[in-house]
Amino acid sequence: DGGITQSPKYLFRKEGQNVTLSCEQNLNHDAMYWYRQDPGQGLRLIYYSQIVNDFQKGDIAEGYSVSREKKESFPLTVTSAQKNPTAFYLCASSQTGVFYGYTFGSGTRLTVV
Amino acid sequence: AQSVTQLGSHVSVSEGALVLLRCNYSSSVPPYLFWYVQYPNQGLQLLLKYTSAATLVKGINGFEAEFKKSETSFHLTKPSAHMSDAAEYFCAVSDRAGNQFYFGTGTSLTVIP
Repeated sequence: DGGITQSPKYLFRKEGQNVTLSCEQNLNHDAMYWYRQDPGQGLRLIYYSQIVNDFQKGDIAEGYSVSREKKESFPLTVTSAQKNPTAFYLCASSQTGVFYGYTFGSGTRLTVV
Repeated sequence: AQSVTQLGSHVSVSEGALVLLRCNYSSSVPPYLFWYVQYPNQGLQLLLKYTSAATLVKGINGFEAEFKKSETSFHLTKPSAHMSDAAEYFCAVSDRAGNQFYFGTGTSLTVIP
């Protein structure tokens, strides 16, 4: 079955360390997105990519980085510059144009210890 | 930019009662509108979407929503709540030229037995 896979589901990081969250899709979607979810704040867009080798900053890109070397993959790196990284991270993909809606992964919960 | 407001961060209903979750959007042009549901520690699932066809949209699990341009609203309803409906619900909006959604802050639905 086609879908979008995020790994790991739970991740613990020490302060000062970078960590990379994986997102892979086999839906042949062109566009991919990373959102951060905090209680009471809904979803906030970190980065998005509409085509391979190209990506744009979202509303809260500071302290994060991404790459899009393959259509299927859109990893997110949470760097040590992100001041408050503990959150639930959601990856999504869509066909070109939001008319089709997003397909979401099951999320990665990152905790800084 | 588009925005969406969900009135009521928490809604409680009795099992079998009507479910009404409110969503208002800000746009001068009718946008695309979506409702998503999120169960604990999971990604978001598409419930239904409005893309300028019928104004009354039927979704999965017995939910429906009505697009009202005069009220800039897209409220989600279900005639009879079930225990399994307890979850977080997100309204999202996108303009027709856009490539991303704007999510509301979510409404947590509790169903009382």
